[in-house]
Amino acid sequence: EIVLTQSPGTLFLSPGERASLSCRASQSVSSTYLAWYQQKPGQAPRLLIYGASSRATGIPDKFSGSGSGTDFILTISRLEPEDFAVYYCQQYGSSPWTFGQGTKVEIK
Amino acid sequence: EVQLVESGGGLVQPGGSLRLSCAASGFTFSTYAMSWVRQAPGKGLEWVSTINYSGGTTFYADSVKGRFTISRDNSKNTLYLQVNSLRAEDTAVYYCAKGGESYGFLFDYWGQGTLVTVSS
Repeated sequence: EIVLTQSPGTLFLSPGERASLSCRASQSVSSTYLAWYQQKPGQAPRLLIYGASSRATGIPDKFSGSGSGTDFILTISRLEPEDFAVYYCQQYGSSPWTFGQGTKVEIK
Repeated sequence: EVQLVESGGGLVQPGGSLRLSCAASGFTFSTYAMSWVRQAPGKGLEWVSTINYSGGTTFYADSVKGRFTISRDNSKNTLYLQVNSLRAEDTAVYYCAKGGESYGFLFDYWGQGTLVTVSS
């Protein structure tokens, strides 16, 4: 099983700042098969990024993904109030399909 | 617009059973893999089960194998999850999720979830 470890657990930032979230895999993940999701309180997750760097339908370009192998990054270029949420990475190339434990982006 | 609406959750005693449903609309249901993903209270996301577009192939997490059964009725655009022999650790919000265009295990749309609480 591929274990995904996200860091930091919580990120304290101010609106307008840049956020960089890390997702590290216990084994190499084909870059085609790494996704990022956003979840706000009381809501379902929303797909942001797939294939490590492709934005999902309707996702603004302030969200970008990068990385390969075992190290992946989600970057939010300029935080807006609606971006404060929990973010999860997921690998979907190797069964069982696993999620990271999440990074919470909180207002400083 | 893609819509996924789950139902069937509730309070059940340990060892009990429930049948969760997910009504789909806004896309050609019969051509996509569908999945269940759960989230225990205050915890992260856990993939539970996936079924291919036709219902002929199913996949399960080890934690639910032998107790849960995923199925679909393409004539009714509905996904199901039969959950048996429930344990306290199965308490979670259960989300229905649509598979991606080319990757069935990428979840591109999610329902709002249905809460299953296992307690005596």
